[in-house]
Parts: sequence; C-alpha cells; structure tokens
Amino acid sequence: NAGVTQTPKFRILKIGQSMTLQCTQDMNHNYMYWYRQDPGMGLKLIYYSVGAGITDKGEVPNGYNVSRSTTEDFPLRLELAAPSQTSVYFCASSYSRLAGSNTGELFFGEGSRLTVL
Amino acid sequence: GENVEQHPSTLSVQEGDSAVIKCTYSDSASNYFPWYKQELGKRPQLIIDIRSNVGEKKDQRIAVTLNKTAKHFSLHITETQPEDSAVYFCAAMATDSWGKLQFGAGTQVVVTP
Repeated sequence: NAGVTQTPKFRILKIGQSMTLQCTQDMNHNYMYWYRQDPGMGLKLIYYSVGAGITDKGEVPNGYNVSRSTTEDFPLRLELAAPSQTSVYFCASSYSRLAGSNTGELFFGEGSRLTVL
Repeated sequence: GENVEQHPSTLSVQEGDSAVIKCTYSDSASNYFPWYKQELGKRPQLIIDIRSNVGEKKDQRIAVTLNKTAKHFSLHITETQPEDSAVYFCAAMATDSWGKLQFGAGTQVVVTP
C-alpha cells in the first residue's frame, strides 16, 4: 500500500491564482481530512469528508473548496490564492466502523508546501 | 468547540534524561487523546494514544497519563535519545465528532548528546 499520497510536494503561486492539491489513499478509509500547518500553530482542520459525496467545513475553511467523488480521492481547491494561504498542507485519512464515531489512527500524506507571492 | 493548550513550546533535554509535555483540553466530551511525532520535514505519525476509560498507558520508553477531572494529559519520554528530537503534538477528540482532532500547538523537543 502506498498509503496517503499528495501532489504536488511544492508549489509557488502568485496572488489571485488558483490550484488544486491532490490527495489519494489506497487503504479504503472512509474518513479523509485536510489540515494546514503554520509554524508554531499546530494543525488546523480545513475540510473533512466521512464518505464519498459527503464533505463538511472544519475550523478554517475560508478560501478553500473540496470534493469527494470517490472513496480514494479528496482534492483541495484554492481559489484566488492569498499570501495568508502560504502554509504546509496535509491530507489525512482514517477508518471508522461507526457512523459519527472515529478514534482510529490518522494516516498523513507527506505534505504539500505552498507559497503564495 | 474544543481547545487544546500544549506546554512547553520548546524543550531541551540531555540524552538519557526524561522529557514531559503537558496538554489541557476544554471539552468534557473529549474521550480520545493521541500524540503525534513529526520529524523535521516529515509527516506527523501516531506514537501513542489513550482513551478516557484509562488513566495511564505505556509503550517502551513513552507513556501517557490522563486526568479527566483536571482535563489534562501528559506525554512522558524516558531515557531520551537523539532520535527523539522532533515536534510532538497532542490532540483531543470527542467520540461523536466524526474523527475531528483538535491539535495542540506542538512542542519542539531537542535531545542533546
């Protein structure tokens, strides 16, 4: 298993540009998440999905959009990039047997470092 | 919502000494508390976790304690080694929160030989 795979690993964007961070997992996990990590600030949840076709906002969703058309893929779209979106983005997944309940281990991708200039 | 505070933000220890990181949480509904380790430039990885029906859990040189009354939990690393140098994150989650973890801000641990 490759686990959680993110692309690209690095990207520089100009203000106002748009891009999509790709995330795919091959562990048949039903739950997927996008976090951003800023220095000294821990990990903040952007969006999450509990299954194909179901997404919801996390703590810091403004400026982002997601979709979950398949169990494997959970892309994160940045529209009109701003310097405040400069960060390291982590996609993660986990498996839950019970709807609404999930205390399974979170598996992270390697991260995508985004710089907006 | 849940708020997790983590202290200290940096911790320097000599090889062989112990390291302790403390976290407090605000939501009494939280019942799952994992700890993640992130080496420089790498992804966070789970190292140990504890659920609210347990007061202490140990795995070789690492242990976690939980005080539900005081709403705090701690990570203890004994006999520290250079490979323990990393950023450690605590997190908290309630069972019915769809797996959404609230992370602390992280502790940079530096183990000096």
